Amino acid sequence: DSGVTQTPKHLITATGQRVTLRCSPRSGDLSVYWYQQSLDQGLQFLIQYYNGEERAKGNILERFSAQQFPDLHSELNLSSLELGDSALYFCASSAGRTSGRNTGELFFGEGSRLTVL
Amino acid sequence: AQKITQTQPGMFVQEKEAVTLDCTYDTSDQSYGLFWYKQPSSGEMIFLIYQGSYDEQNATEGRYSLNFQKARKSANLVISASQLGDSAMYFCAMREDLLQGGSEKLVFGKGTKLTVNP
Repeated sequence: DSGVTQTPKHLITATGQRVTLRCSPRSGDLSVYWYQQSLDQGLQFLIQYYNGEERAKGNILERFSAQQFPDLHSELNLSSLELGDSALYFCASSAGRTSGRNTGELFFGEGSRLTVL
Repeated sequence: AQKITQTQPGMFVQEKEAVTLDCTYDTSDQSYGLFWYKQPSSGEMIFLIYQGSYDEQNATEGRYSLNFQKARKSANLVISASQLGDSAMYFCAMREDLLQGGSEKLVFGKGTKLTVNP
């Protein structure tokens, strides 16, 4: 158990709809990262938040948005869904290397599997 | 340009044998970190091993070791005494330490699917 919690685990919806994926990081971790894993693809970095503020943005579509709340949980909002948005969406958290851990590995949740029909 | 290249889409190994999964990376930074993750069929991402660019010794974690060749920009994962439970996707990833306070995101390769045969 990585300590990162993602909900829902599975989600099936229709094209054009909007969904929200939720992530609770490990206790004490300030950074939250969102990744998308499509079929036969590696993990694509979407966005990172650190202590409530956006820190880095990757290949995130304009139809997607995210935020991190004061309690450090994060939500990824996907709107106007298309078939190609079907993927496994991972949330990860890290303590960061300034915390005393000098590796900075990311701890991943179990993912939210989104199917768009 | 791809930052992380894993050239082996699939690998097969006999149980109890060792296997090497290849990873090459591209960075102009002097300080960076290299990671390997395992993704079993259940989907979760499991951290295996880490190598810092300034680490002089190759990292080891149990049956996992990282063959780090800085000049060649390679960070191959070696799994010794393979077990059936090692069958999974394996991802190599890199963190570039660009700026103080910058993102510590990881960039992943496309992965290698390892199958361990009995």
